[in-house]
Amino acid sequence: GESVGLHLPTLSVQEGDNSIINCAYSNSASDYFIWYKQESGKGPQFIIDIRSNMDKRQGQRVTVLLNKTVKHLSLQIAATQPGDSAVYFCAEKGSSNTGKLIFGQGTTLQVKP
Amino acid sequence: GAGVSQSPSNKVTEKGKDVELRCDPISGHTALYWYRQSLGQGLEFLIYFQGNSAPDKSGLPSDRFSAERTGGSVSTLTIQRTQQEDSAVYLCASSLVTGSSLAQHFGDGTRLSIL
Repeated sequence: GESVGLHLPTLSVQEGDNSIINCAYSNSASDYFIWYKQESGKGPQFIIDIRSNMDKRQGQRVTVLLNKTVKHLSLQIAATQPGDSAVYFCAEKGSSNTGKLIFGQGTTLQVKP
Repeated sequence: GAGVSQSPSNKVTEKGKDVELRCDPISGHTALYWYRQSLGQGLEFLIYFQGNSAPDKSGLPSDRFSAERTGGSVSTLTIQRTQQEDSAVYLCASSLVTGSSLAQHFGDGTRLSIL
């Protein structure tokens, strides 16, 4: 069945370093992917998205890379800050015609000062 | 406000009671979604509304769960005869369906606790 998973449950980085959060997806027909940040007690906050006709997209301090050959998605955060500490989810728009997203289990990013 | 608004933010109720959760989407967003998030888990899709189309109810876990969207805007998720396994955070999101971004924007959820 469709699934999206994250390779590491927890990532700990030093403030100022770059962070890379990885995600594997299983549905090769997925055409849209999105990264969310979730802080405790809050709803997921949109970070960046990418369509399947692209392999890279950049935002402010963040870059998403999509490798359709190996069905892999990554989120790179430059110059990680304490405020980046949160749980990060990747999600894919599945093969159905509805807009529902399929979420992974999440990676916790801990930023050490 | 400009974001998705959900109420109540917290709800504690006894097993067997019915509950109603409300979602006000972002103005102009035609698509509305409900998800459920159990402690420490990812989000589980429940139901999707888009315009006047029939909703996608494929994620509803049982017939105790239902949702409606009135006037293409506000949505209510109803859980009848609540069970302890219904305890979770219920999240609502809305989005556009055309344009440069299809991103779903979430509210902060309703934390439901069944005693």
